[in-house]
Amino acid sequence: NAGVTQTPKFQVLKTGQSMTLQCAQDMNHNSMYWYRQDPGMGLRLIYYSASEGTTDKGEVPNGYNVSRLNKREFSLRLESAAPSQTSVYFCASTPGARPAGANVLTFGAGSRLTVL
Amino acid sequence: QKEVEQDPGPLSVPEGAIVSLNCTYSNSAFQYFMWYRQYSRKGPELLMYTYSSGNKEDGRFTAQVDKSSKYISLFIRDSQPSDSATYLCAMSGLYGNNRLAFGKGNQVVVIP
Repeated sequence: NAGVTQTPKFQVLKTGQSMTLQCAQDMNHNSMYWYRQDPGMGLRLIYYSASEGTTDKGEVPNGYNVSRLNKREFSLRLESAAPSQTSVYFCASTPGARPAGANVLTFGAGSRLTVL
Repeated sequence: QKEVEQDPGPLSVPEGAIVSLNCTYSNSAFQYFMWYRQYSRKGPELLMYTYSSGNKEDGRFTAQVDKSSKYISLFIRDSQPSDSATYLCAMSGLYGNNRLAFGKGNQVVVIP
């Protein structure tokens, strides 16, 4: 079982370049999420999609866009990368809408992005 | 005051010791309390969750919630080198947006 698969695992960008992080889950989960993890900041929610066809902003959405391509796939796009977006990005999914209790968040392995 | 406070450590203990981790929080609406374990260069994985107050035990792991003090704890008994990881607490209310409030994570190193 693959679970949540993220690509690429590593990426180096120059300031102003754009790129898309891809995420796919094979667990038939309804909800998907993008988090970033920074030292001393913990995990912060960028965007989430409660169900296919819907997306909503999280805590730190500025500078990002998302697309819920279908039930399996949820991509994160940086239109004009900035050094402040250097981070580790995690995609996650849950069966239902609220990532708490028995509605377990399953994370991918992460994508390490460096913006020079 | 941050919504969830967690001392980042690191915490080094000898193999077989009891590891004690804790988080404090400020939002009295939190009802779900979770502990995630994250190995180096991996994504977090759910270790345990509790609903409302009380204790929950799963093998060598015990989670405690004291809502009156807004304080949660995770205990690891008979710690093993394989327990070396970062442990993150996370909390959520019953209503509102689909957001978990995470602690910063506490790095634990179990020395053989």
